[in-house]
Amino acid sequence: AAGVIQSPRHLIKEKRETATLKCYPIPRHDTVYWYQQGPGQDPQFLISFYEKMQSDKGSIPDRFSAQQFSDYHSELNMSSLELGDSALYFCASSLWASSWASGDNEQFFGPGTRLTVL
Amino acid sequence: AQSVTQLDSHVSVSEGTPVLLRCNYSSSYSPSLFWYVQHPNKGLQLLLKYTSAATLVKGINGFEAEFKKSETSFHLTKPSAHMSDAAEYFCVVSGGNNAGNMLTFGGGTRLMVKP
Repeated sequence: AAGVIQSPRHLIKEKRETATLKCYPIPRHDTVYWYQQGPGQDPQFLISFYEKMQSDKGSIPDRFSAQQFSDYHSELNMSSLELGDSALYFCASSLWASSWASGDNEQFFGPGTRLTVL
Repeated sequence: AQSVTQLDSHVSVSEGTPVLLRCNYSSSYSPSLFWYVQHPNKGLQLLLKYTSAATLVKGINGFEAEFKKSETSFHLTKPSAHMSDAAEYFCVVSGGNNAGNMLTFGGGTRLMVKP
């Protein structure tokens, strides 16, 4: 079965540069979530989108922005990168209707993008 | 608000002995609860989930967890550990429809399995 696809898998940037991470959800999934996992940390929720609209917002820095496109893929744009932005960035997807109908909030995670800021 | 506390940051067991990873949660709503496993430099794999059906939930690889509302706990167990079980385990809560769909992760428990 098709899974969540993230690209690139690894990314190395310099301080103050910009980065764009992409996420392609499971086919028919309409909701996308972004999480950040710092070294030795648990994943922290950043932001989510449903039907191209932001649905929830977590601890996402103002330097970051994200959007969801008409084909449901999402991009996380990160500007003025800092050393502390080095982390594993996960994307997850789900089907909103399933969550509302059953209360089952299962999210399917991609393999992550490892961002290293030098 | 919702939160998750994993009571042990590290657990070490011998191969073939039982595993117990403890998790307590706090949620204002009827929560969905999950256990995810993360092997080194890998992504997150769902082990099992609780969504207000049976309180004893069976997952993959012989793991199971019991939802105890009175204790606000969702401990993960396995009768016999394998070397391949060595990984980081996350207990996760979601508030459900009325509390947003984001997942809140516990701090993680690193399971080490000795031969």
